[in-house]
Amino acid sequence: SAVISQKPSRDICQRGTSLTIQCQVDSQVTMMFWYRQQPGQSLTLIATANQGSEATYESGFVIDKFPISRPNLTFSTLTVSNLSPEDSSIYLCSVAGLGQPQHFGDGTRLSIL
Amino acid sequence: DQQVKQNSPSLSVQEGRISILNCDYTNSMFDYFLWYKKYPAEGPTFLISISSIKDKNEDGRFTVFLNKSAKHLSLHIVPSQPGDSAVYFCAASGGGSGAGSYQLTFGKGTKLSVIP
Repeated sequence: SAVISQKPSRDICQRGTSLTIQCQVDSQVTMMFWYRQQPGQSLTLIATANQGSEATYESGFVIDKFPISRPNLTFSTLTVSNLSPEDSSIYLCSVAGLGQPQHFGDGTRLSIL
Repeated sequence: DQQVKQNSPSLSVQEGRISILNCDYTNSMFDYFLWYKKYPAEGPTFLISISSIKDKNEDGRFTVFLNKSAKHLSLHIVPSQPGDSAVYFCAASGGGSGAGSYQLTFGKGTKLSVIP
């Protein structure tokens, strides 16, 4: 399976600032996704990162808060904007080829002061 | 409304015995089910999957059973080993086409502890 590198692995940020998380894959993949796992909760899909076009967001998630880029088939970024304590979560990227299960990066643990 | 439910937050099993993790779902459009294992500070690792056209899939010590009429699936680990101690997530996808059919809905997870 693809090797997924997610950076940073953890960060502590001030309220009102933004954090950009990077997801790098060692091979071209068809699909990339971004998930959030809030404390004690399951993983929730934020959006599908589309190569060369705007991401497709799930209900409850908006582009102004979670802008996503995917300039090519191996790289994507998720920005969490205007941070508040409710944004303290683990953010994970995942990748999948056609007909293949999703594989996940190790996640970014974000804490807000 | 939680579409994928893992009602047992934790499970303890003796080494060498069988571990059975359960998962229920409500969305009849789901047609593909997966189990992931997660260690602390790591991302979920894909374990095994099953399509709705099957009722059983086996991979080594891991077997997943699907009962579509009951909207229930289970993961059996035999024999259980201390290294199996982790959080296990059940996930489901289905319906639509393209990227939509790959979107996963997860349960909250079951923490398995295998006691030596």
